[in-house]
Amino acid sequence: GAGVSQSPSNKVTEKGKDVELRCDPISGHTALYWYRQSLGQGLEFLIYFQGNSAPDKSGLPSDRFSAERTGGSVSTLTIQRTQQEDSAVYLCASSLDSRRESNQPQHFGDGTRLSIL
Amino acid sequence: SQQGEEDPQALSIQEGENATMNCSYKTSINNLQWYRQNSGRGLVHLILIRSNEREKHSGRLRVTLDTSKKSSSLLITASRAADTASYFCATEKVGAQKLVFGQGTRLTINP
Repeated sequence: GAGVSQSPSNKVTEKGKDVELRCDPISGHTALYWYRQSLGQGLEFLIYFQGNSAPDKSGLPSDRFSAERTGGSVSTLTIQRTQQEDSAVYLCASSLDSRRESNQPQHFGDGTRLSIL
Repeated sequence: SQQGEEDPQALSIQEGENATMNCSYKTSINNLQWYRQNSGRGLVHLILIRSNEREKHSGRLRVTLDTSKKSSSLLITASRAADTASYFCATEKVGAQKLVFGQGTRLTINP
């Protein structure tokens, strides 16, 4: 399909383990976003990429969270030493470059449901 | 932190009736967007209204924006069972590309 693809769709892991989540954006979309959705906090912004650089990382909750993007395409979000409060749905979105033409809608993947035991 | 607040938190109506959801926000915005989320799925973009627009239509959807009151409404006319979902408003603040979401309205359409 031509939409945003995320993998895995579900991940269950033990507390203290590292996890890696993957996002494959829509082809041609230079902007990529990670959000987190949890019962207590709603939908929260984590990080924004423009190409391979991340001009806004303000939403990353701690230094256990990191993300990278290579080739201006696929992005991975890594959580080290997972804690139970990291349990949530992690959503990725992509859009055209809103710096060049503003007011671009974001297109979301179905998310990765992360459960920390 | 959430910028937007939505009301009601939950809405249950009969098929065929109109559904109205409201959203308020706090800062200056480039645009406001509405998304739908079905259970266990990602968000689907419905409509984007720019800060210089007051009303926008898309099929059975009508969105209004009042920047003086920092509020928006989403009207779904002639509702259908398939409209059952959670609806979120999201704002793109001036100078930022990220979206700030409201808490959402859970809409149930009863057949």
